[in-house]
Amino acid sequence: QKEVEQNSGPLSVPEGAIASLNCTYSDRGSQSFFWYRQYSGKSPELIMSIYSNGDKEDGRFTAQLNKASQYVSLLIRDSQPSDSATYLCALTRADGLTFGKGTHLIIQP
Amino acid sequence: NAGVTQTPKFQVLKTGQSMTLQCAQDMNHNSMYWYRQDPGMGLRLIYYSASEGTTDKGEVPNGYNVSRLNKREFSLRLESAAPSQTSVYFCASSDSLAGYNEQFFGPGTRLTVL
Repeated sequence: QKEVEQNSGPLSVPEGAIASLNCTYSDRGSQSFFWYRQYSGKSPELIMSIYSNGDKEDGRFTAQLNKASQYVSLLIRDSQPSDSATYLCALTRADGLTFGKGTHLIIQP
Repeated sequence: NAGVTQTPKFQVLKTGQSMTLQCAQDMNHNSMYWYRQDPGMGLRLIYYSASEGTTDKGEVPNGYNVSRLNKREFSLRLESAAPSQTSVYFCASSDSLAGYNEQFFGPGTRLTVL
């Protein structure tokens, strides 16, 4: 099993709806989890970090972590066309971070 | 406050040529990283530096060397470029290697090896 798994998509969501992005991981020792957004041709940009079980909200974004089930998710409320991007899930390991391959999100106007 | 900067932004090399990619950060971070990103492969760690004076191999170090010049600067060198090294290269930095480790990325270098 790969360390971090994400559905590559594309995930198509109507404007104004909730976009739900999921990520599963294999290393039970991972302590810190991150969501990065990457626009085409640009570098990854950190949008959320979460360290403990439960939900963490920041504006339209909510990160959810369930360490027992080994998954982390990102919800985007009131999706906008500008949210169209690839979303990378990442978690800590001994030499820094390991990244999933990303989910391509398309918000349809 | 520029964050993480990288030079050059674009580069075309011929097979066998050498070059150095430069990276600098002004956030007083201790740890720095070099990644490559290829379609369908995600971000893969090439080398990292936990702190000034130390460097270690990541997942895909073959064909590369690094230098942590000082706390701010971390360079990546291709001694003899190969077409398989055509990729987008990102430098990143974080306050520390362990713990919360929020990494911040530079704008990237798009390298083509012919």
